[in-house]
Amino acid sequence: GQSLEQPSEVTAVEGAIVQINCTYQTSGFYGLSWYQQHDGGAPTFLSYNALDGLEETGRFSSFLSRSDSYGYLLLQELQMKDSASYFCAFNAGKSTFGDGTTLTVKP
Amino acid sequence: NAGVTQTPKFQVLKTGQSMTLQCAQDMNHNSMYWYRQDPGMGLRLIYYSASEGTTDKGEVPNGYNVSRLNKREFSLRLESAAPSQTSVYFCASILDPTSYEQYFGPGTRLTVT
Repeated sequence: GQSLEQPSEVTAVEGAIVQINCTYQTSGFYGLSWYQQHDGGAPTFLSYNALDGLEETGRFSSFLSRSDSYGYLLLQELQMKDSASYFCAFNAGKSTFGDGTTLTVKP
Repeated sequence: NAGVTQTPKFQVLKTGQSMTLQCAQDMNHNSMYWYRQDPGMGLRLIYYSASEGTTDKGEVPNGYNVSRLNKREFSLRLESAAPSQTSVYFCASILDPTSYEQYFGPGTRLTVT
């Protein structure tokens, strides 16, 4: 099977940088995706890594190390609106999501 | 272009009742998914359809059935609802199983009493 592990909660202050880690186990790797979900809303796609290294999309970046079965989402210049849950996920085939990390941004 | 739509948005059922959740996408995607999300939890895959005409069980299929009616539509049926099925149900679609971005519907909030 496949599984993904993330910290359950992270707290940071406005303007800071926060890193949300994800370690995974899978027999076949096709890429790691990240999603954001605000309270009461649907998940929305943020970023994706198929190969090792850093992918940057505005204030959000995602990193992957396939040899370590590890990735992270980096959020810079945190804003209050970034308070949400963040999920790492495998999309391929039998899609699997981590349990999510709740990010609280404080003023 | 509506993306992924789900009906109904809210539903209350009594134990033992049945209902069908509807999902449709207009992005010409091949693969579609049904998830449930319990409070404070991640998304758990119920069933998925990699392409039109195929369906497969996910992590938590018991108590559910699905139908891939055509390329656009993927429905989820609860034959005899139980309180343990109280949850938020999300439908999602993706271009194909190796693509990287799933598109989610707004969700159906189901309460079984």
